[in-house]
This record gives sequence, C-alpha cells and structure tokens, in this order.
Amino acid sequence: KQEVTQIPAALSVPEGENLVLNCSFTDSAIYNLQWFRQDPGKGLTSLLLIQSSQREQTSGRLNASLDKSSGRSTLYIAASQPGDSATYLCAPDYGNNRLAFGKGNQVVVIP
Amino acid sequence: NAGVMQNPRHLVRRRGQEARLRCSPMKGHSHVYWYRQLPEEGLKFMVYLQKENIIDESGMPKERFSAEFPKEGPSILRIQQVVRGDSAAYFCASSPAEGIRYEQYFGPGTRLTVT
Repeated sequence: KQEVTQIPAALSVPEGENLVLNCSFTDSAIYNLQWFRQDPGKGLTSLLLIQSSQREQTSGRLNASLDKSSGRSTLYIAASQPGDSATYLCAPDYGNNRLAFGKGNQVVVIP
Repeated sequence: NAGVMQNPRHLVRRRGQEARLRCSPMKGHSHVYWYRQLPEEGLKFMVYLQKENIIDESGMPKERFSAEFPKEGPSILRIQQVVRGDSAAYFCASSPAEGIRYEQYFGPGTRLTVT
C-alpha cells in the first residue's frame, strides 16, 4: 500500500525562522514528487516538482530535496513570513499520473 | 491564461439526488484528474481522463460515481443517489500531457454537502 506521512502534522514558528517540513512515502518507485500549499477552504497551489532522477529543486525561498531510495522528501522554507501560513502537501506520483497525498504539514508563522 | 475552473464552488444536495460537478482544464491541457478530500483526510485520487477516454479509474467507487471528458466542453464528475458520506471537497487538476515532467494544476474545488 502506498502511504504518505508528513511530520510534523502542525507547527508554529516565529516570523523569520526557517521551516523544515518532512515527507516520507512507503514505496520508493515514484516518477516524481510535487509539493503544494493549500490555504483554508481553497484549492492547491503547486510549489515545486522534483523528478525522480533529481536530488533537489529550488524556487525563491523554497528548496525541496528528494531521497528516493529512502522514501523521503524535505521542503525547506527560508526566512518564513506570515503569508507562508498554510497547509503544505507532499504528493509522490506512482505512475499513470496518480498523485498520492499525505495529510499535510499545517504551518502557522507568528508575526 | 485562466487556471483550472470548477463549478459550482459549493453544492448542496439532499440524500438520493444527483450531483454534477464540472471542471474546465487550463488552456492547452488535455489531461484531467479528479481527487476527493474527505473531512480530516488527505486527498485521494479518483480518476484520470483524456478527451473521450478514461485512462485510470482505479480510485472511483464502483457504484453511483462516473466521470467523462467529452470532445467538447468540460469534464463532468457525476454522483447518483448521493449519501451523507459523499460530503467532501472534490478537486479537479489538469496537465498538458502525461509524463514525468508535467505538473498537475489544481482548481479551487467543489464542496459538496449532502443533507
């Protein structure tokens, strides 16, 4: 069974602190992995896509790493801002474009 | 370039009625995916469609649920004889093609409430 676990489930940090969000998945045979953010009552916004052959991907203050063999991905957000408050979702693609989702990391950045 | 459009945004149905959820993919995208998010649960894959074809429906409940993506018009997710357990947020996503390089872009979702 392909399961995705995100730890911690929830965290609060003061503004300016770096965020580290962890994702683990049980089946390492993935094609790629996407990170999304979801605001309350809203849809998902794609943040980063990492191909299975890549080790990391960067976009602005965001950096995502991928260790496919150990089934882990980490999202780093540098110098957090209140606008970063959201739920962050990790979604590996196991083929045929089926994304599997965890329950997310719920982040609150305190001004 | 407009994003993925879904309507209605909110839908209330009584038990036993039918629900029709519509999704218009991003311009130039020919692949559509439907996901369901139950309360306090993560998103679950339901079905993957291309124009006039169902590619993968392994996540669809066997009864009452169907999906289509006709040659013209939006993709439709249809739920017949809704029950309270169908109350959830239904998200549609699209991509330009199948393959490892392509991100899926999500719509704002349709929140279905069954009373």
